[in-house]
Amino acid sequence: AQSVTQLGSHVSVSEGALVLLRCNYSSSVPPYLFWYVQYPNQGLQLLLKYTTGATLVKGINGFEAEFKKSETSFHLTKPSAHMSDAAEYFCAVSDRERSNYKLTFGKGTLLTVNP
Amino acid sequence: DGGITQSPKYLFRKEGQNVTLSCEQNLNHDAMYWYRQDPGQGLRLIYYSQIVNDFQKGDIAEGYSVSREKKESFPLTVTSAQKNPTAFYLCASSPWGGQTKNIQYFGAGTRLSVL
Repeated sequence: AQSVTQLGSHVSVSEGALVLLRCNYSSSVPPYLFWYVQYPNQGLQLLLKYTTGATLVKGINGFEAEFKKSETSFHLTKPSAHMSDAAEYFCAVSDRERSNYKLTFGKGTLLTVNP
Repeated sequence: DGGITQSPKYLFRKEGQNVTLSCEQNLNHDAMYWYRQDPGQGLRLIYYSQIVNDFQKGDIAEGYSVSREKKESFPLTVTSAQKNPTAFYLCASSPWGGQTKNIQYFGAGTRLSVL
């Protein structure tokens, strides 16, 4: 079974600082990869996804992620944090060899942004 | 506007009671999903449905039931057999095939508490 590990359940940065949220997956075949964001008491919103092609993926709100097959990683970054980025972030994977498109989620990383 | 509507936003269950959470989508998506979210646990899949009148158990189906009589609707019943129902429940949907397959779109969630 696939698994997703998000290192750090809580990350705190200063406004304007680099944001780095880590995600590693376990799969013998590179899966489809996703990052979602959740604001308090709301559903999840897709930030970006990787399926095929360019390994550096750009998403909404200035976020981007790079798929590194050799490291089985898909870390999320943003050059300069904004107060509005404070939220919980989830990495998720989907097995490209199966047809049911189920997502397996990491446990999430709560990002706080300090003024 | 197209989207996923979950109701109610807050729900309270008494001991021995079954409660039903509503999920309706007007995105014309074939697949629908129910997740349970607990603090620090990420999202765990309860049930999913790829087509009308068919559904599959997810990772934590015990104590829950679903139906899929219409493409637009996928209600979840939390039965009295679910001994720890307090959680945030999220419904999602996704298209089946095409360029946007694998992307799941989420509702705003229902928070269920036990009285």
